[in-house]
Amino acid sequence: DGGITQSPKYLFRKEGQNVTLSCEQNLNHDAMYWYRQDPGQGLRLIYYSQIVNDFQKGDIAEGYSVSREKKESFPLTVTSAQKNPTAFYLCASSISGQANYGYTFGSGTRLTVV
Amino acid sequence: GQQVMQIPQYQHVQEGEDFTTYCNSSTTLSNIQWYKQRPGGHPVFLIQLVKSGEVKKQKRLTFQFGEAKKNSSLHITATQTTDVGTYFCAGEGGANNLFFGTGTRLTVIP
Repeated sequence: DGGITQSPKYLFRKEGQNVTLSCEQNLNHDAMYWYRQDPGQGLRLIYYSQIVNDFQKGDIAEGYSVSREKKESFPLTVTSAQKNPTAFYLCASSISGQANYGYTFGSGTRLTVV
Repeated sequence: GQQVMQIPQYQHVQEGEDFTTYCNSSTTLSNIQWYKQRPGGHPVFLIQLVKSGEVKKQKRLTFQFGEAKKNSSLHITATQTTDVGTYFCAGEGGANNLFFGTGTRLTVIP
């Protein structure tokens, strides 16, 4: 079955550490996205990539980094520069960067700073 | 920047009652999408509206896109406990990415 796989489901990070969240899709989608969701709030765009080896900052990119070396993979690194990283992180993909086909979301990674 | 506001933020209804959530944009939208996120889950795409004044139905769900393409609504008739979750609208921003509304969390009381 095609879909998006995010791992791990839960992640605990000590202050000052960098952590990387995995996102893999087998839908052959060109575009991939990372969103952050805080409790009771909507989704805020962190980074997006329309094509391999290219990505753009979203609304809240500070303290995050990404790479897009393969079409299937779009990992997100939460760096120590991110002051409030505890949140639910969602990865999504869409066909050829066309938002009007709808996004497919992964099941998310819940990151907690301890 | 582009903003999409949704009201209400929370809604509690008795099972069998109707429910409506409203979405308002500060700018004209080329299209609008609706997503449902179950508690503890991830957003799932429901539908897209493109034309001014468009109305689409999915069983008990009715979606409308305003004439000016700045607002939209989702109406659920005779809610069921399976309808619980947060409903988001989303408009297309620049570079083909979506900006999401604040969401309406629906609770259905059996």
